[in-house]
Amino acid sequence: NAGVTQTPKFQVLKTGQSMTLQCAQDMNHEYMSWYRQDPGMGLRLIHYSVGAGITDQGEVPNGYNVSRSTTEDFPLRLLSAAPSQTSVYFCASRRQGVETQYFGPGTRLLVL
Amino acid sequence: GENVGLHLPTLSVQEGDNSIINCAYSNSASDYFIWYKQESGKGPQFIIDIRSNMDKRQGQRVTVLLNKTVKHLSLQIAATQPGDSAVYFCAENIGGAGNQFYFGTGTSLTVIP
Repeated sequence: NAGVTQTPKFQVLKTGQSMTLQCAQDMNHEYMSWYRQDPGMGLRLIHYSVGAGITDQGEVPNGYNVSRSTTEDFPLRLLSAAPSQTSVYFCASRRQGVETQYFGPGTRLLVL
Repeated sequence: GENVGLHLPTLSVQEGDNSIINCAYSNSASDYFIWYKQESGKGPQFIIDIRSNMDKRQGQRVTVLLNKTVKHLSLQIAATQPGDSAVYFCAENIGGAGNQFYFGTGTSLTVIP
């Protein structure tokens, strides 16, 4: 199993540009989540999904959209990037009823 | 978010010594805790977990202690090795819809050979 994969590894955007961060897992996990990690702060939940077709907001959802059309994929969309969205983004997945999450390697995003 | 914090931002230990990393949490209703290890440029990796009905749990070279009275969590690493150098942080599960976790800021552990 590849586990949780994320692409791209690194991205530079200009303010106002849009992009999609990709996340995929091959473990057939129901739960998937997106977090951002900023210096001096713990991981913060952006959006999560408890299954295909179901998404919900986390702690810091503003500026981000998600969709879950399949169990495997959970893309994160930035519609109009802002410098405040410069961060490292992690996708995670876990099986329903099990709290242990598996994290992807992260995407480093720089918004100029 | 919840106040899940660590007492020390950095910790240096000699190879072979034991390491202790601490974490404080503020929500007495939290019932599940996880310690993660994060190496530079990588995603967090699960180390060990503990439920609130336990005081202690041991894994391979790691032990987690939970003191619910003072809302304190610690991670003990025995015979610390250079490969243990990383950032360690705790996560607190509040429960509810989606079982959201709240994460501490992390302690950077450096093992001196």
